[in-house]
Amino acid sequence: DADVTQTPRNRITKTGKRIMLECSQTKGHDRMYWYRQDPGLGLRLIYYSFDVKDINKGEISDGYSVSRQAQAKFSLSLESAIPNQTALYFCATSGGGGEKLFFGSGTQLSVL
Amino acid sequence: GENVEQHPSTLSVQEGDSAVIKCTYSDSASNYFPWYKQELGKGPQLIIDIRSNVGEKKDQRIAVTLNKTAKHFSLHITETQPEDSAVYFCAASDSSYKLIFGSGTRLLVRP
Repeated sequence: DADVTQTPRNRITKTGKRIMLECSQTKGHDRMYWYRQDPGLGLRLIYYSFDVKDINKGEISDGYSVSRQAQAKFSLSLESAIPNQTALYFCATSGGGGEKLFFGSGTQLSVL
Repeated sequence: GENVEQHPSTLSVQEGDSAVIKCTYSDSASNYFPWYKQELGKGPQLIIDIRSNVGEKKDQRIAVTLNKTAKHFSLHITETQPEDSAVYFCAASDSSYKLIFGSGTRLLVRP
């Protein structure tokens, strides 16, 4: 089983809809991240959390919110989806004194 | 905040040749520089990293070099093989556990 699991793998939704992307991990890591990947723009940090009570904005947080429900769970929400939020979304974790990120397999989101 | 620029965006090489991908960073406080490889349909995976107290690091066919003065770091892949075809990302961090990534390089190794 994957250490970092993202659900769903693919999602198509309409403009204005609320959508939640979920991430769970079995690595026991404290730090969790949400990144967005767009062609030619690389990976951009949306939000990150260093423990259950810690939430921080990243480079591109506008239009997104997050919830850290438990050490192992970190969800990303789009309150009112818009077409330019169409992208590949990745959850990642890191732990201990290391900076190595462990990524999930990604969620491809399309907003029509 | 930190800004990381990566070049080229695409790179095509003949199998057996070398490939070089270059990145520049803006924040002089950055001291950790990893490289990630993303295969089709998968999340990125760390392949090599370097810290600012080291100028070069090698791991078999891959190496990373760092020039702190110029704020440049590069990934070198020698004797390229078809399985090296992927998207490669550089990143930088100031030990805040927050990585800022470059825009990615799509490497194609032609058999």
